[in-house]
Amino acid sequence: QQQVKQSPQSLIVQKGGISIINCAYENTAFDYFPWYQQFPGKGPALLIAIRPDVSEKKEGRFTISFNKSAKQFSLHIMDSQPGDSATYFCAASSGSNYQLIWGAGTKLIIKP
Amino acid sequence: DVKVTQSSRYLVKRTGEKVFLECVQDMDHENMFWYRQDPGLGLRLIYFSYDVKMKEKGDIPEGYSVSREKKERFSLILESASTNQTSMYLCASSLGGNEKLFFGSGTQLSVL
Repeated sequence: QQQVKQSPQSLIVQKGGISIINCAYENTAFDYFPWYQQFPGKGPALLIAIRPDVSEKKEGRFTISFNKSAKQFSLHIMDSQPGDSATYFCAASSGSNYQLIWGAGTKLIIKP
Repeated sequence: DVKVTQSSRYLVKRTGEKVFLECVQDMDHENMFWYRQDPGLGLRLIYFSYDVKMKEKGDIPEGYSVSREKKERFSLILESASTNQTSMYLCASSLGGNEKLFFGSGTQLSVL
């Protein structure tokens, strides 16, 4: 019940296309859903995050869509660029819990 | 600019050695974390600390210990390194709980 399942494991998208990464969870107590971006040789960095009181959050080309009833959330990258090539992690946590539960990661490659 | 510094980028140790991984943050953050990152498994929390001299076990504390004598420094200790501890180790800090973690660049530890 503590798991966050992330898919796909890897993704190749043409430049200018839309990249979509999905995550699913079971624990209905989760109330914070961040996405982190990790470039090779670097630690992950917070990209965007959402709480379940909204169904969508947009920051530039990055959008989180949240479906509370389906217990799913997804990251959409519009107009994907080669510089977006990285590994993306979804995560979830509940309340003031210090522990984030992480997805397994998605390696995204944007082809020029 | 925010900075989390891990002492070594690469480390090679022998089975049975005692290993120290050091992490320093310059943001006056209360919370610090140690994760290990393995392909296909995402990030798994080893230990975290929400105050000086305070520590809490994460999901996989076995074989590890930590020390936080000063607010800015959080050390991970492998008492007797084993080959299954070969991994990427990531240190992170945050101002408030699990929101917006700042990660170091990681230490790739190989235990032979």
